[in-house]
This record gives sequence, structure tokens and C-alpha cells, in this order.
Amino acid sequence: QKEVEQNSGPLSVPEGAIASLNCTYSDRGSQSFFWYRQYSGKSPELIMSIYSNGDKEDGRFTAQLNKASQYVSLLIRDSQPSDSATYLCAVSGNKLVFGAGTILRVKS
Amino acid sequence: KAGVTQTPRYLIKTRGQQVTLSCSPISGHRSVSWYQQTPGQGLQFLFEYFSETQRNKGNFPGRFSGRQFSNSRSEMNVSTLELGDSALYLCASSLGGWQGNYGYTFGSGTRLTVV
Repeated sequence: QKEVEQNSGPLSVPEGAIASLNCTYSDRGSQSFFWYRQYSGKSPELIMSIYSNGDKEDGRFTAQLNKASQYVSLLIRDSQPSDSATYLCAVSGNKLVFGAGTILRVKS
Repeated sequence: KAGVTQTPRYLIKTRGQQVTLSCSPISGHRSVSWYQQTPGQGLQFLFEYFSETQRNKGNFPGRFSGRQFSNSRSEMNVSTLELGDSALYLCASSLGGWQGNYGYTFGSGTRLTVV
């Protein structure tokens, strides 16, 4: 079992729709959870962090954490073509472990 | 504020050679982590350094090594290069590393090609 699992996609959504990205993790002792965005040919960029159960909103982005279910998600509202990228979930236990990423394509 | 600087950006090496990659973290950041990124395996953790000490190591062979200097700059070395070592090597800096609730800031990476 992989430590952090994500659906590789691609996830295709129309412009203006909500994109929902999901991630599960195996280490129950994990403390911190992050979402990174990586454009093709670029390095990952931190877009959201979440540390406690519930929702955290930042602009068009909402991160959701459910430690009991070992589940993290990222919602992107009003999706734009510029949101097209690979989204990486990262979980911090005794090291920061990344999922393989979900490719998001926003169609105009 | 300068970001994370990795040098060189691109490298082409021959099998059997060794290579050294360099990373300068954001000023004030004491933690430096290294990752290998390949299309098939995604981002794989190599090691993390904090205040010149290796705090954690991933599941890579001993050919992969690293170190951190007193100014927090870090280097990683790969000896006896194999074709499978071709990848993007990313360095990330953080105030406190995984133990703190800090995100990592990545450098632009070094693209290593082994021929």
C-alpha cells in the first residue's frame, strides 16, 4: 500500500465548475497536510496547508481534512484554464511524503 | 527575498560517473530536503538535513548521499551513475522541516540525464 494515494486522472472539468481532488494516506500519526500545484516543466508550488479536521478556505481553494477516515481533499471553485496542472497531496509523518499527483484539465 | 537556488539546471553524465548537485535554501531556512521526480514514480524522498545533520533518509541505495554546510547550503552526490538515475532532482527548503507545520518551498530542480 502506498503511503499517500491519489487518483492519477486526468480529471477534466469545464471552466467555472468545481474541481474536486482527493487523497488518502496510511500513517495515522500524520500531523500536517499540504496541497501543491505543479505546472508542466515547473517545480511544485505550495497552495494550501491544513492541520486539523474540517475545512480551510483560501480564495477559490478549500482544503478538507478527515483524520478518522485518513482523507484529504481539495476543492477548486470557479475553475479556470490556468488551474490546469498536476496537484500533489503531501502528508507529514516522520517525513514529508507526496502522492503521485492528479492531473487536472480545465476546458474553456 | 531570494528563493531556493539549485545548480546546475541541466546535466548530462555517462554511466559510471558521479555527480554533485547544489542547493541554496531561502535565507533563514535551516531544513533542506531532496526529492527525485520521475514520470513513473512521482516525487520520491531522498533525505532531509537540518542544521548540518541528516534527520531522515528515504529508500535509496548508498550511492546517493548528501550533506549540509553551516550556512544551510546543501549538496547531494550520486556515485556510479546508472541509466535509471535520470530524473529531475528537487531541493526544498523549510523553516523547520517536517517536524514543524511548515510547507516546503521548492527550487527549480536539476534535470539529470544519464547516457
